[in-house]
This record gives sequence, structure tokens and C-alpha cells, in this order.
Amino acid sequence: GENVEQHPSTLSVQEGDSAVIKCTYSDSASNYFPWYKQELGKGPQLIIDIRSNVGEKKDQRIAVTLNKTAKHFSLHITETQPEDSAVYFCAPGAGNMLTFGGGTRLMVKP
Amino acid sequence: GAVVSQHPSRVICKSGTSVKIECRSLDFQATTMFWYRQFPKQSLMLMATSNEGSKATYEQGVEKDKFLINHASLTLSTLTVTSAHPEDSSFYICSARRGGEAFFGQGTRLTVV
Repeated sequence: GENVEQHPSTLSVQEGDSAVIKCTYSDSASNYFPWYKQELGKGPQLIIDIRSNVGEKKDQRIAVTLNKTAKHFSLHITETQPEDSAVYFCAPGAGNMLTFGGGTRLMVKP
Repeated sequence: GAVVSQHPSRVICKSGTSVKIECRSLDFQATTMFWYRQFPKQSLMLMATSNEGSKATYEQGVEKDKFLINHASLTLSTLTVTSAHPEDSSFYICSARRGGEAFFGQGTRLTVV
């Protein structure tokens, strides 16, 4: 099965700074690389995803970069805001199956 | 708006009783839905894959007789926690995919007292 590791497990940044979370995976068949944001007491919400034929994707303050050779992809959040505080999960997969990383608790200090 | 709706959002039940959680796909058909369990400060762990019109596929270590899954229509899957015990208290989340993207329900906080 897929082994997924996410680092760091917690990340504290000052408002306005950038945050980067890295996800490494083991299954070379993975072709879908999403990032989810989960707020307390709610289900995960997709914030950005990338497929294996693309190296980078950006959506306003959020970007994802993929290195398929090294089997890792990263979430980049620029100009962080307090409302970005949440737990972020990567969940690489292929077909219907997603395997979740351990999560990163991001705290943005005002 | 939400594309996957889960109900109830919170439920408290007595030990030994059963609880049913519903997961609906809104405006799209989902032949497959997924049920996850999440303990506090931990990641989502896949419990089972719900297949419309056929038996669910359970992950290793998940008791199929305890967590009954029914996927009777293309828009509804249900998870029933039977004979619930305090250790079953957790956050249960369902998911369905549309156009390659996975959408998650709001989650159900189950507390067994």
C-alpha cells in the first residue's frame, strides 16, 4: 500500500509570512495529488490539486509543486492570514483511492 | 455549495444501541462512496468503500458486522454502527468523487456514553 509522510506536523508562522508543507509518498502509480484543509469539527475541503502531467499549479495565494521523480509534492501558502489556521492534509492516490498523510497543524499568528 | 451531505452532524447514544449515519451525493450519482474514521488530532483512516448495489469492501481490521454499510441508491450510502461502545466514539466522514475530485461530507461526531 501507499506510505504517505507529511512534514512538518505543526507549523507556526507570523501573519504575512509564507508556509510550506511537504508530502512524500511511496507508490509510483499515484497520479493525483490533492491538498485538503480541515477546520475544527468539519470535513476536509479541497484547496488545490495537481495531476502527474503537471509540475506546478497556482491559485492566488496557494500553490502546489510536484516532483514525481523524487515522489514528493508541496503546498505553498503565501501572505498567510489568521483564517489559514487549520489542519492540512495531503492525500496522494490513483483511481478512486486516496491515502491521507498525518496532517499539519498550521497556526498563523496575527 | 456542498456536494456531499452527511447527517447527522452530531449524535450521542447510549452504549449498546445502534446509530445510522447518512451520506448523500447532491446533484450527482456516486456508485462508490468512502467512509473514514478520524480520532482526535489524527488523520483520516479509510474504513470501507461503499459500492452501489453490491457489498462494501472493508479495510483490514474493520469489523464488517459492527459497521454495516448500505449503498441502496446512487446518491445515498449509510453507515450503521451497531451495538456501539464508548471506544466507537469518533468523527466519521464520508466521501464521494465527482469528475476525479473527492468531496467530503461535514462529518458526524459520534459520542457513545
